[in-house]
Amino acid sequence: QVKLLQSGAALVKPGASVKMSCKASGYTFTDYWVSWVKQSHGKSLEWIGEIYPNSGATNFNEKFKGKATLTVDKSTSTAYMELSRLTSEDSAIYYCTRSELTGDYYFDYWGQGVMVTVSS
Amino acid sequence: DIQMTQSPASLSASLEEIVTITCQASQDIGNWLAWYQQKPGKSPQLLIYDATSLADGVPSRFSGSRSGTQYSLKISRLQVEDIGSYYCQQAHSNPYTFGAGTKLELK
Repeated sequence: QVKLLQSGAALVKPGASVKMSCKASGYTFTDYWVSWVKQSHGKSLEWIGEIYPNSGATNFNEKFKGKATLTVDKSTSTAYMELSRLTSEDSAIYYCTRSELTGDYYFDYWGQGVMVTVSS
Repeated sequence: DIQMTQSPASLSASLEEIVTITCQASQDIGNWLAWYQQKPGKSPQLLIYDATSLADGVPSRFSGSRSGTQYSLKISRLQVEDIGSYYCQQAHSNPYTFGAGTKLELK
């Protein structure tokens, strides 16, 4: 069955960076885009951006350009997101999810989420 | 960016009741709309895509409809396992935006 297994919670200091992972299983990793979605505490969802595992091509929400860096390791079917220059506004749960290559931006499977807390 | 205005923000309903949640898009998005359910402490789950198509494994009491730029999610007979938050999402153009959410509780 399809699974997206994300790394554990992170406590990071303001100004630092954090890198999280999302390991895919149960499907062909290169057949789907991997997207990342932010959910601030008790609030709604924001699409950050996506990466195509086969080529490494990325598309971003303008709001997150310069904040998020997306990469993949095809050999381990793992996607990564690094967030830089962290502030309290970056404290949130971050989900990885997938969508089809056809350009239908519907997210059918989600990781369990990574809680990032930015605090000194 | 396309704004998705979702209402109501919260809703209290009884078991077996019909529940309707709506989302208004700020511009034409055609049928490029999805609905998600999120239970407390869990990840979102896709319920409806293409405005009216039921995702795999989703009970038939859930349905989606469209009238122009207004979209609706209907739960025909509320069950206890339907309690949680619901979000609409436009899949028309980058950035793919979500509604603010509807928190559904049992009366």
